Amino acid sequence: DQQVKQNSPSLSVQEGRISILNCDYTNSMFDYFLWYKKYPAEGPTFLISISSIKDKNEDGRFTVFLNKSAKHLSLHIVPSQPGDSAVYFCAATGANNLFFGTGTRLTVIP
Amino acid sequence: NAGVMQNPRHLVRRRGQEARLRCSPMKGHSHVYWYRQLPEEGLKFMVYLQKENIIDESGMPKERFSAEFPKEGPSILRIQQVVRGDSAAYFCASSFTQYEQYFGPGTRLTVT
Repeated sequence: DQQVKQNSPSLSVQEGRISILNCDYTNSMFDYFLWYKKYPAEGPTFLISISSIKDKNEDGRFTVFLNKSAKHLSLHIVPSQPGDSAVYFCAATGANNLFFGTGTRLTVIP
Repeated sequence: NAGVMQNPRHLVRRRGQEARLRCSPMKGHSHVYWYRQLPEEGLKFMVYLQKENIIDESGMPKERFSAEFPKEGPSILRIQQVVRGDSAAYFCASSFTQYEQYFGPGTRLTVT
């Protein structure tokens, strides 16, 4: 049972434009959400997180939005850069462990 | 300020052998987690440990898999009598709180 879902396996964006990655979850007990970036043959790198008491968190080019009523979160990257090309995983937690989505492969075209 | 260390990075085992994967958490982190990633899938939680204690092993297969985090030394994930289906990338993460987890580079286990 996949409690965290990323329905878009891939996304291509022009350099300088906005990238929007989406994530849905089913468990209303989740209270903390994270985005990780992963390059091949490396471990996931923490990017940004948001608590369920907020609806937005911003860190430089990265902004995460949380819509609790829709059980949906999104990651906005603006402006997108070629170095942002990677697989992005969203994750959620309410207790001891993280539940991960299956990832979205972002390609930023120069 | 070293990150999470895992070794070996690559491990090849024949069916029936044992695999031992090691993880050293970031300095100051007392929470350690193990995840497994199969090809084309997301990471799946296996076990959560604090020093000398298993807190949650709900994601770990009941047979052949065990984990420990001793008072001294790294955390160890042990897989006995490996089978081809155990071939995967195994990631360790550590955290200071229970939320933001920082991952190591992973161990890629191949069972031949």
